[in-house]
Amino acid sequence: GAGVSQSPSNKVTEKGKDVELRCDPISGHTALYWYRQSLGQGLEFLIYFQGNSAPDKSGLPSDRFSAERTGGSVSTLTIQRTQQEDSAVYLCASSLAPGRYEQYFGPGTRLTVT
Amino acid sequence: GENVEQHPSTLSVQEGDSAVIKCTYSDSASNYFPWYKQELGKGPQLIIDIRSNVGEKKDQRIAVTLNKTAKHFSLHITETQPEDSAVYFCAASTTGANNLFFGTGTRLTVIP
Repeated sequence: GAGVSQSPSNKVTEKGKDVELRCDPISGHTALYWYRQSLGQGLEFLIYFQGNSAPDKSGLPSDRFSAERTGGSVSTLTIQRTQQEDSAVYLCASSLAPGRYEQYFGPGTRLTVT
Repeated sequence: GENVEQHPSTLSVQEGDSAVIKCTYSDSASNYFPWYKQELGKGPQLIIDIRSNVGEKKDQRIAVTLNKTAKHFSLHITETQPEDSAVYFCAASTTGANNLFFGTGTRLTVIP
């Protein structure tokens, strides 16, 4: 079946511009996660959605970062006033249930801020 | 919060040899430990996981061991093949936490 998809695959933007990254999770998966992967680093948790519950935003690095999940499916991660340090690969994952269940990752969006 | 450390950062082995990657974690409440393989330009893919109620799990050439007392777990790949070359990440999950805590990755190169 279809896996997690993300768009765009690559995004180059100028410093100070806003960007939106999209994630389509696997159908039926109630949990959705956003992670950030900087060059040569592990994955850094950003935000988590579970059903209709309030999202866990504890990993967002600043108030320039926000995310929403519409209708319990598609999610958008928005970065306002981008900075060069925002350059990274942004990965989305979904799972059937939160916590201990396998997370399926998308291919990621490579963001480059010039 | 949880802190996961992973070693080594790079590992080169000859084809057919074994590879071992080790991780430690800090939170004794962690109870789920997956390993992910990430190939160039792709998202991480789960290859094996272990829960805190078992000490070892094996799937063909891949095995994972868990020592809860010492708070460390390891990935073992036997009879390595060139297609095993990738970056491997360990992770841990704690009851009550919504996310996985990842190690910094190991770049494995299998030399033909």
